[in-house]
Amino acid sequence: AQSVTQLDSHVSVSEGTPVLLRCNYSSSYSPSLFWYVQHPNKGLQLLLKYTSAATLVKGINGFEAEFKKSETSFHLTKPSAHMSDAAEYFCVVSGQPSGGYNKLIFGAGTRLAVHP
Amino acid sequence: NAGVMQNPRHLVRRRGQEARLRCSPMKGHSHVYWYRQLPEEGLKFMVYLQKENIIDESGMPKERFSAEFPKEGPSILRIQQVVRGDSAAYFCASSPPSGLNTGELFFGEGSRLTVL
Repeated sequence: AQSVTQLDSHVSVSEGTPVLLRCNYSSSYSPSLFWYVQHPNKGLQLLLKYTSAATLVKGINGFEAEFKKSETSFHLTKPSAHMSDAAEYFCVVSGQPSGGYNKLIFGAGTRLAVHP
Repeated sequence: NAGVMQNPRHLVRRRGQEARLRCSPMKGHSHVYWYRQLPEEGLKFMVYLQKENIIDESGMPKERFSAEFPKEGPSILRIQQVVRGDSAAYFCASSPPSGLNTGELFFGEGSRLTVL
């Protein structure tokens, strides 16, 4: 069965410092992994996705994530946090193998706070 | 281009009443997904529909919940005889036919149901 575990429910950083949001996954087949962001009272937006191409994936707004099979991890990073990055971040794994449909399995979320 | 439109954005119901949540997918999208987000939790898959067909309803509670996506008009998520535990944010997402299993879903801003 597919699952993701987000290791931190809350992360707080100062503006201009690096961001690290941690995610571990479990998958019975080669996984497709994603990070989504949710700003307050808004819908979710895809940040980036890994689908078995390059293990280092670049997304929007300067975020990137590295797929590490040996560690079953897919951590999200950004070199320098901006106030506008404050939001809820979800690590997501596809619940269907390649060729299926978008039955996504979400982690519990990490709330990122950015302080001036 | 309008995004995924959900209405109402906020809905208050008393126990035993019915709740109807509507979702108009993005133009050109024929695949609709409903997800539920309970407080402090990630999103949970409920149902996947194509026009006039329910493809996967494995995440739907067996009783009181139903969904449809008619040939004309929006997709509807219907909850009969609501209980306090139904209080949650309900998100609709859509994808084009070519978006099968890409993980990229376009989410609406959600309908927040409060049951008194």
